[in-house]
Amino acid sequence: QKEVEQDPGPLSVPEGAIVSLNCTYSNSAFQYFMWYRQYSRKGPELLMYTYSSGNKEDGRFTAQVDKSSKYISLFIRDSQSSDSATYLCVFAGGTSYGKLTFGQGTILTVHP
Amino acid sequence: DSGVTQTPKHLITATGQRVTLRCSPRSGDLSVYWYQQSLDQGLQFLIQYYNGEERAKGNILERFSAQQFPDLHSELNLSSLELGDSALYFCASTTGSSYNSPLHFGNGTRLTVT
Repeated sequence: QKEVEQDPGPLSVPEGAIVSLNCTYSNSAFQYFMWYRQYSRKGPELLMYTYSSGNKEDGRFTAQVDKSSKYISLFIRDSQSSDSATYLCVFAGGTSYGKLTFGQGTILTVHP
Repeated sequence: DSGVTQTPKHLITATGQRVTLRCSPRSGDLSVYWYQQSLDQGLQFLIQYYNGEERAKGNILERFSAQQFPDLHSELNLSSLELGDSALYFCASTTGSSYNSPLHFGNGTRLTVT
């Protein structure tokens, strides 16, 4: 079983839609949960970071963590064309000091 | 712009050759991470350095090595290259040494082995 499973997509939505991106994980030692966004031909950039179960909101983005179900989600409200990118769920913790575990990524396209 | 600089942007070389990828971290960042991104594997952690010392190792092959210099720039050396080494190689830096410091990624070096 993979440590991290990310909904593969790709997703294509119209502008203004609500987008839900999801990942499950199996490693109970993960303590930190992040979402990175990667535009084409660029390196990933941090979007959201949290370490507790529940919701964390930042503008149009909401990160949700459910540690009991080992499930995290990223919601994007009022999606815009500039949101078109690959979204990576990222996990950290456990005995691997300094190591992050990345999901495979979900490609999102927001069209007019 | 993340502030992390990677050179070269593209590299094309033949099997069996050796290449060196270079990374300059953000000003003030002491930690440097190297990642490999391929289509079938996603982002894979290779190695981390903190202030010149190796701190963590991931799925780094024995043919690969890295170092961080006193001026904090880092180099990733790939030798005896194989076709399967073709990938995007990213460098990232942070201010701290632990995993809860957000990573700032460069734009990568695209390596093609023919």
